[in-house]
Amino acid sequence: DAKTTQPPSMDCAEGRAANLPCNHSTISGNEYVYWYRQIHSQGPQYIIHGLKNNETNEMASLIITEDRKSSTLILPHATLRDTAVYYCIVEGSSGSARQLTFGSGTQLTVLP
Amino acid sequence: DGGITQSPKYLFRKEGQNVTLSCEQNLNHDAMYWYRQDPGQGLRLIYYSQIVNDFQKGDIAEGYSVSREKKESFPLTVTSAQKNPTAFYLCASSFLTGETQYFGPGTRLLVL
Repeated sequence: DAKTTQPPSMDCAEGRAANLPCNHSTISGNEYVYWYRQIHSQGPQYIIHGLKNNETNEMASLIITEDRKSSTLILPHATLRDTAVYYCIVEGSSGSARQLTFGSGTQLTVLP
Repeated sequence: DGGITQSPKYLFRKEGQNVTLSCEQNLNHDAMYWYRQDPGQGLRLIYYSQIVNDFQKGDIAEGYSVSREKKESFPLTVTSAQKNPTAFYLCASSFLTGETQYFGPGTRLLVL
């Protein structure tokens, strides 16, 4: 069963912020929220992850609600190269190898 | 440059033939993974390995085999027993203590 729910598609104007939502209402206390993206016919690219606090790196910001049941990935100034499928993944930490459960993701299309 | 490489980019298989997909990483990662992606779908885990000379089956291991003789290498063999091998194959690696997985560029396998 999917641990996350994402809208199937979103559009964003070039130069504007892209806000991608993710619901993970069954997340447990030791589970992280990860975001990856996949540009057509390429391998998934890691973007960012977080546990409780909001996180920011050179690619994006991750906003996690206080109850941790949802999060938003923010691309502050979307470019055409950001057109991709964005995956929100919830996984715990156990110190051992584990699979990432990729759902269907959100197809983000950045429009010129 | 550090990273994960996969070869070849495209691979053609004849009926009844075994083919081997290469995956190499120079990130000093302990764990390596093989995923399969079908068109419009998420990724599904085939095999993973946490340490040299050890590997475990994922959700869809039937018709596939792997080896882990070196930390840097995790080749995947698609055997003739895999009746529907046409897919995009992705290799990933990670440290055991951190769950961020980094992906290679993928190999697209087509059946002639």
